[in-house]
Amino acid sequence: AQSVAQPEDQVNVAEGNPLTVKCTYSVSGNPYLFWYVQYPNRGLQFLLKYITGDNLVKGSYGFEAEFNKSQTSFHLKKPSALVSDSALYFCAVRDPNSGYSTLTFGKGTMLLVSP
Amino acid sequence: EAGVVQSPRYKIIEKKQPVAFWCNPISGHNTLYWYRQNLGQGPELLIRYENEEAVDDSQLPKDRFSAERLKGVDSTLKIQPAELGDSAVYLCASSPPTGAYEQYFGPGTRLTVT
Repeated sequence: AQSVAQPEDQVNVAEGNPLTVKCTYSVSGNPYLFWYVQYPNRGLQFLLKYITGDNLVKGSYGFEAEFNKSQTSFHLKKPSALVSDSALYFCAVRDPNSGYSTLTFGKGTMLLVSP
Repeated sequence: EAGVVQSPRYKIIEKKQPVAFWCNPISGHNTLYWYRQNLGQGPELLIRYENEEAVDDSQLPKDRFSAERLKGVDSTLKIQPAELGDSAVYLCASSPPTGAYEQYFGPGTRLTVT
């Protein structure tokens, strides 16, 4: 069975500082990995994905994530945080060997960026 | 391009009452998902449709939940009767038939059962 862990319930960072939101996963094969962001009273918005290829993937709003197979991690990063980045972030994994499109989500990490 | 549309956005009902949620996916997306998101948790899949066929409904509580996707476009998720524990946000998502693997989510329906 596939699973995702987001070890931090909340991450606090000052505006202009770099940010990292952590994610580790467990799947039987090579994973498809995703990050989504959720603003209050809104649905989830897709940020970026890793399917294959370069371990560093770039996404929307200046976010990037690094796939590390040996550590089974897919941490979300941004060089300089903005107050408007404050939101709830979800990591998700799909096992392509499962034959289905089912995504398994982590429980989310609240990012708070202070002015 | 219009996104995934859901209605209503909010619903408050008393326990044992029925409730229905509606979803219109992005045009051309043949795969449709219903998720439930409890407070402080990530979304959990309830049912997945490929066109009009439900291909994964293993997590749908079939004693009280039902869903349909007539003509492979719009979908309706129903709960009858609702229980206090059904209070959650119900999210609909869709994805295209090929290529991109990500799912596109609607704004959700926040259900409160009193």
